[in-house]
Amino acid sequence: EIVLTQSPVTLSLSPGERATLSCRASQSVDNFLAWYQQKPGQPPRLLICDASRRATGTPARFSGSGSGTDFTLTISSLEPEDFALYYCQQRGSWPPTFGPGTKVDIK
Amino acid sequence: QVRLAQSGAEVKKPGASVRLSCKTSGYTFTTYAIHWVRQAPGQRLEWMGWINGDNDNTAYSQKFQGRVTITRDTSASTVYMELTRLGSEDTAVYYCARDYYGSGSYYLDSWGQGTLVSVSS
Repeated sequence: EIVLTQSPVTLSLSPGERATLSCRASQSVDNFLAWYQQKPGQPPRLLICDASRRATGTPARFSGSGSGTDFTLTISSLEPEDFALYYCQQRGSWPPTFGPGTKVDIK
Repeated sequence: QVRLAQSGAEVKKPGASVRLSCKTSGYTFTTYAIHWVRQAPGQRLEWMGWINGDNDNTAYSQKFQGRVTITRDTSASTVYMELTRLGSEDTAVYYCARDYYGSGSYYLDSWGQGTLVSVSS
């Protein structure tokens, strides 16, 4: 089973700043990686799939990059509603697995 | 609009079984697979299994093989997930979610609200 690690655990930033989140896979997953946002008491929301493709409705300030084992989610300018937990998920190897999450909180 | 409405919270004793439902609406039921994912307190999300949209084909994570069964009722646009031989480690919020590309993408674009299952003696 592929293990995903995310860094940092917590990212403290101010609105308007740029956020860079990392996800690393224990083996190559090609580009089969997604990013989700989750807020307290809500289910996750799909933001990015196939490493860099924005899902329907995802704002343009969210972008994904990477392939193989190293991936990045970038939020170009944080809006107040972006402070949340972010998970990566791989589907390049069975079974699909999720990372532990990065919390983006307000500085 | 796409909606996945899950059944209510459950409290179970160790060794019991639980059956959760996920009623879908707002799209053609047979076009999209449905997955089940759980989130234990303080833990990462965990994929459990899925059922195809246009047939009864299923696949399960090896971790749950033998304990989980996912079924569907096409006439009711509803998917069910049964988990047997519950232990305290099965205490979690269980989500159903739709496959983004329809079938086999394992990306999950629309989610139910979650069902809390608590297992305690």
